[in-house]
Amino acid sequence: DIQLTQSPPFLSASVGDRVTITCRASQAITSFLAWYQQKPGKAPKSLIYGASSLQSGVPSKFSGSGSGTDFTLTISGLQPEDFATYYCQQYNSYPLTFGGGTKVEIK
Amino acid sequence: EVQLLESGGGLVQPGGSLRLSCAASGFTFSNYAMIWVRQAPGQGLEWISTISASGGSTYYADSLKGRLTISRDNSKNTLYLQMSGLRAEDTAVYYCAKDLSPQAWGQGTLVTVSS
Repeated sequence: DIQLTQSPPFLSASVGDRVTITCRASQAITSFLAWYQQKPGKAPKSLIYGASSLQSGVPSKFSGSGSGTDFTLTISGLQPEDFATYYCQQYNSYPLTFGGGTKVEIK
Repeated sequence: EVQLLESGGGLVQPGGSLRLSCAASGFTFSNYAMIWVRQAPGQGLEWISTISASGGSTYYADSLKGRLTISRDNSKNTLYLQMSGLRAEDTAVYYCAKDLSPQAWGQGTLVTVSS
């Protein structure tokens, strides 16, 4: 199974900050990586697929990069609505797996 | 607009069974693989099953294999998840989602396993 390790698990940031979340895969997954945002009591919302492609309707302050085993999600200019938990997911092979999540909190 | 609407969750006793449904609209259901993902209270996301667009291929998380059956009715645009031998640790919100890296998710249905 492919393990996805997200770091950091918690991130405290201020409005306007630029933050970066890392996702490391235990083996190469080319670019079959997605990122999701989840707010309490809500379903996940897709942000990025194919490691770096922005989903339709997602603001360009979100960006993804990486390939192989190391990936990043960057959020530029944090706004109050961006405080949430973020997950990465690999869909290179079964079982599909998710990272443990990164909770972005207000400093 | 793509919509996925789960139903069938609720309170079930340990060892019991439940069938979840996911009604899809707003896209050509028969063209897409579908997945189920669950989230235990306060925990992260866990993929549990995938079914191919035609229904001819199915995949399950090893931890649940033998207790789950995923199926679909493309004529009714509906996805199903039959769960049996339910345990307390199966308590979670169950989401259906479109495709392997889903852009569209249902709102989730809560399954509580308790006596």
